[in-house]
Amino acid sequence: NAGVTQTPKFQVLKTGQSMTLQCAQDMNHNSMYWYRQDPGMGLRLIYYSASEGTTDKGEVPNGYNVSRLNKREFSLRLESAAPSQTSVYFCASKLTGSTEAFFGQGTRLTVV
Amino acid sequence: DAKTTQPPSMDCAEGRAANLPCNHSTISGNEYVYWYRQIHSQGPQYIIHGLKNNETNEMASLIITEDRKSSTLILPHATLRDTAVYYCIVSAVHNAGNMLTFGGGTRLMVKP
Repeated sequence: NAGVTQTPKFQVLKTGQSMTLQCAQDMNHNSMYWYRQDPGMGLRLIYYSASEGTTDKGEVPNGYNVSRLNKREFSLRLESAAPSQTSVYFCASKLTGSTEAFFGQGTRLTVV
Repeated sequence: DAKTTQPPSMDCAEGRAANLPCNHSTISGNEYVYWYRQIHSQGPQYIIHGLKNNETNEMASLIITEDRKSSTLILPHATLRDTAVYYCIVSAVHNAGNMLTFGGGTRLMVKP
C-alpha cells in the first residue's frame, strides 16, 4: 500500500521557470491538500480539494495553481517560480469525516 | 480554528515518559485536539486525537483537562526514534474545509 506518493522528491528551478508537482493517493480518499513548509516553520496550507472537481484556496495560494485530475491525483503548478517559493511541499489526503490525514514524503524545491 | 501554544523544545531521557503540553484556551465546543509528529522533515504522522475524554492508543496517551483549555501528550516510554517535532492542533468537525492548521510545534529530543 503506497499511501500518498509525491514526485519529484527534489527539484531545482531557475527563477521564472514553471513546473508541476505531482501527488497521487491510493486510499480512495476524497479530500486532498497541498502544504508548504519553510525551514524551521510549521506547514501552511496552499490549496485543497474537498472532492474530485473542486478546489479551494488555503492560507498561502498566491503564485500557485492546482488541478484535481481525478480522485487519485492532485497536482500543484508553479507558473513562474520565485526564490520565495523555495520550500518543502507536502501533499496530504484524508477521507471526509475521518480524523487522520496521510502525508506524502515531500518535494524539496529550490528556486535560484 | 483555535490557536495553540506549545513550548518550542523539550528533552527527555530514553525510557522515560515524555509529557508534551499544549495550551488551547480559546478552543470551541466542537473542536477536537489532534497531535501529529514530524520526524526528520518527513511528512507529518498522525498520533492521536480527542474531544474531551482522555484517549490512549498504541503510540501515546492524550490527557485533556476538564475545561478543555489544555492537553498533554504522553509518550510512556520514549525511545530515540521518538525524536521529532510534535504538533498540537485544534480543529472543528472533520470535513475537508477545516483542514489542519500547523503551528511551530515542540521539538522533542530523546537522549540516551
